[in-house]
Amino acid sequence: AQSVAQPEDQVNVAEGNPLTVKCTYSVSGNPYLFWYVQYPNRGLQFLLKYITGDNLVKGSYGFEAEFNKSQTSFHLKKPSALVSDSALYFCAVREVDMRFGAGTRLTVKP
Amino acid sequence: DAGITQSPRYKITETGRQVTLMCHQTWSHSYMFWYRQDLGHGLRLIYYSAAADITDKGEVPDGYVVSRSKTENFPLTLESATRSQTSVYFCASSDEGLKSPETQYFGPGTRLLVL
Repeated sequence: AQSVAQPEDQVNVAEGNPLTVKCTYSVSGNPYLFWYVQYPNRGLQFLLKYITGDNLVKGSYGFEAEFNKSQTSFHLKKPSALVSDSALYFCAVREVDMRFGAGTRLTVKP
Repeated sequence: DAGITQSPRYKITETGRQVTLMCHQTWSHSYMFWYRQDLGHGLRLIYYSAAADITDKGEVPDGYVVSRSKTENFPLTLESATRSQTSVYFCASSDEGLKSPETQYFGPGTRLLVL
């Protein structure tokens, strides 16, 4: 059965530093992988997705994610964090249906 | 402004009452979805619809009913609300279905409290 895990409930980084939000997945076939961001009292906003091809996917707001099939991971990254990046981030995998991780709260401190 | 809207944004109800959450999208997307968001669980799919008059169960459908008489609307009804249904509910839509890589677009959510 498909599943996705976000091992960190909370990630704290200083503004200007690189950030990584981790995601691992489990599927039986080839996955479609997504990252969404949720700001307070808002719905989820699409950031990026991996379907096939280049393992490094670039998305909105300077975010990127690296698909690693051998490690079954799809970590979200940004070279230089902004305070405005503070939000709740969800990884999702779609094989049979859409499954979301529990979310990681990113806090970027000035 | 086009997009996907939900109403009400906030709702307080009592155990046993019927509650309907509304979802409306202006993109003419074929597929629509209802999720609930709970701490520690992320989002879980309740029901989805592939087109008008076509609906199917998701991961956590018990206690919920949906209908889709028009493409743009996808109401979610709690026939007899329970405290365990206290949650934030999100509606989403996309051009294609669950097995496609098509992006889903989410509404702003409805925060429901069942007393």
